[in-house]
Amino acid sequence: TQLLEQSPQFLSIQEGENLTVYCNSSSVFSSLQWYRQEPGEGPVLLVTVVTGGEVKKLKRLTFQFGDARKDSSLHITAAQPGDTGLYLCAGDSGNNRKLIWGLGTSLAVNP
Amino acid sequence: GAGVSQTPSNKVTEKGKYVELRCDPISGHTALYWYRQSLGQGPEFLIYFQGTGAADDSGLPNDRFFAVRPEGSVSTLKIQRTERGDSAVYLCASSLTGGLNTEAFFGQGTRLTVV
Repeated sequence: TQLLEQSPQFLSIQEGENLTVYCNSSSVFSSLQWYRQEPGEGPVLLVTVVTGGEVKKLKRLTFQFGDARKDSSLHITAAQPGDTGLYLCAGDSGNNRKLIWGLGTSLAVNP
Repeated sequence: GAGVSQTPSNKVTEKGKYVELRCDPISGHTALYWYRQSLGQGPEFLIYFQGTGAADDSGLPNDRFFAVRPEGSVSTLKIQRTERGDSAVYLCASSLTGGLNTEAFFGQGTRLTVV
């Protein structure tokens, strides 16, 4: 069974701090996606990483896919209250898009 | 519409009753997915449609759960003899082709509460 472990599960930081969220698995994924979800809404795709070692940047967010395509990280620089939300990673094994989801990291950025 | 629409947004039902949850995908999207999400958890895959057919229904927890997509657009998730453990947010997503690395767009979900 493929599993994705996210850490930390909860994170509460002050505005302006940096943070990193990790997503780890013993399985190889053809791609890995990061989503952000706000209360009462569905997840919204932030980025898809496909190539081992790939780094993608989205403003203050930096996403990295591990060389072996088993793990990924999300780094946020100078966090802002608007970054508050649930961050989810999801791995695509290539099997008809049956995504394997992590449990999420609940981030609270305090002003 | 511009996005994936799910109705109702909230549904409260009594244990043992039958419920239907509706999903209107983005127009032209051939792939449609149903997920279930419990509080503080990531989504759990239920079923995937490619067109009118269920390409993968391995996530349906038992035979009380059934989903249809008769015309390849709107889908309905049906739950018979509801149990309190069925309470969750049911998410629907659609993507253009369902192929590798195509983006899936999620609806806002239907919050089902079984009392």
